[in-house]
Amino acid sequence: KQEVTQIPAALSVPEGENLVLNCSFTDSAIYNLQWFRQDPGKGLTSLLLIQSSQREQTSGRLNASLDKSSGRSTLYIAASQPGDSATYLCAVAGNQFYFGTGTSLTVIP
Amino acid sequence: NAGVTQTPKFRVLKTGQSMTLLCAQDMNHEYMYWYRQDPGMGLRLIHYSVGEGTTAKGEVPDGYNVSRLKKQNFLLGLESAAPSQTSVYFCASSYEAREVETQYFGPGTRLLVL
Repeated sequence: KQEVTQIPAALSVPEGENLVLNCSFTDSAIYNLQWFRQDPGKGLTSLLLIQSSQREQTSGRLNASLDKSSGRSTLYIAASQPGDSATYLCAVAGNQFYFGTGTSLTVIP
Repeated sequence: NAGVTQTPKFRVLKTGQSMTLLCAQDMNHEYMYWYRQDPGMGLRLIHYSVGEGTTAKGEVPDGYNVSRLKKQNFLLGLESAAPSQTSVYFCASSYEAREVETQYFGPGTRLLVL
């Protein structure tokens, strides 16, 4: 069974700092990996999707990388802002979808 | 487009009661999913559907049933609610082609079973 782990569970940084969130998975047989954002009491919003054949995807201040062979993905957030405060989840698509438990990010003004 | 909507937003049940959660999407998506989210457990797939009239079990299907009679609707039923089913339930949908397609999520239903 696929296991998805996210480290750290919580992160607090001052505004303007660059940061990296980590996601690891145990089974490399995946179709894609996605990063989502979840605000308190809300649903999930897709941020980036990396196909299994790709190495990275970028959207604005966000950059996600994928190393399938080592079972790792990182989400890089540049010049963090208070509005980036949320929980970030990664999910891998194999025979089913498996989610990590998320990293709760707080950006301090 | 409303996207993915869920009804109700919040519900309190007593142990043994039954209820149905409704998910609706207006994006003509083929795939629909039901997840539950619990603290420290992440999202876990309950059941999913790859098209109208089809359903399949996910990671944690016990105690739940689903139906997909219409393409735009996916119903999740609890026949006899238990306190262990207290959770936040999310519905999601996607077009198809798992390699490239993302999932769109509803706002969630908070269920408390006493």
